[in-house]
Amino acid sequence: DTGVSQDPRHKITKRGQNVTFRCDPISEHNRLYWYRQTLGQGPEFLTYFQNEAQLEKSRLLSDRFSAERPKGSFSTLEIQRTEQGDSAMYLCASSLAGSPTQYFGPGTRLTVL
Amino acid sequence: QQQVKQSPQSLIVQKGGISIINCAYENTAFDYFPWYQQFPGKGPALLIAIRPDVSEKKEGRFTISFNKSAKQFSLHIMDSQPGDSATYFCAASDSGNTPLVFGKGTRLSVIA
Repeated sequence: DTGVSQDPRHKITKRGQNVTFRCDPISEHNRLYWYRQTLGQGPEFLTYFQNEAQLEKSRLLSDRFSAERPKGSFSTLEIQRTEQGDSAMYLCASSLAGSPTQYFGPGTRLTVL
Repeated sequence: QQQVKQSPQSLIVQKGGISIINCAYENTAFDYFPWYQQFPGKGPALLIAIRPDVSEKKEGRFTISFNKSAKQFSLHIMDSQPGDSATYFCAASDSGNTPLVFGKGTRLSVIA
């Protein structure tokens, strides 16, 4: 399968714990995006990378959130000191720079108890 | 500020009927308008997209109509099937130079 992959697919954690998600984009795609989707809403932009550079961060991305793409391939999204309000589906998407078409992965469903 | 407004929130259509979902945008810099289909527990899948240089784009049973002056675009699903039952999202961006801005989604149910 050559699509966007995300791991884990589901994560249950207790409030206050740290969690990390991984995204592997389509291999030739140099742009990688993170979105958050809560129940009954559309995806909301969090941050994106072009190669290893983080180009934009949403104001939704509090200081408890950090994202990296160290070698311009896979990316990780870490949430520190999780809160119940962090419960959501975290989606990753990738694209080629210059192309508006984004392809989404299956998402990681986070539940904070 | 919601930049893309989508309606209706939910839609029930008879099998074989036409499903119509509407979106309106505010930012005149937007020039790329995709529609995504999402099944429960899955990520959004690109369905069809349009640029403002054309007023309509058709791919199989799916058609986007675009009205630049009204800043509106819509998705038409012809001959709707039960397998089309999903949540549909419209989105917009500035040629990929900005992240996608999504509508809140329309939950479509196609009943036999």
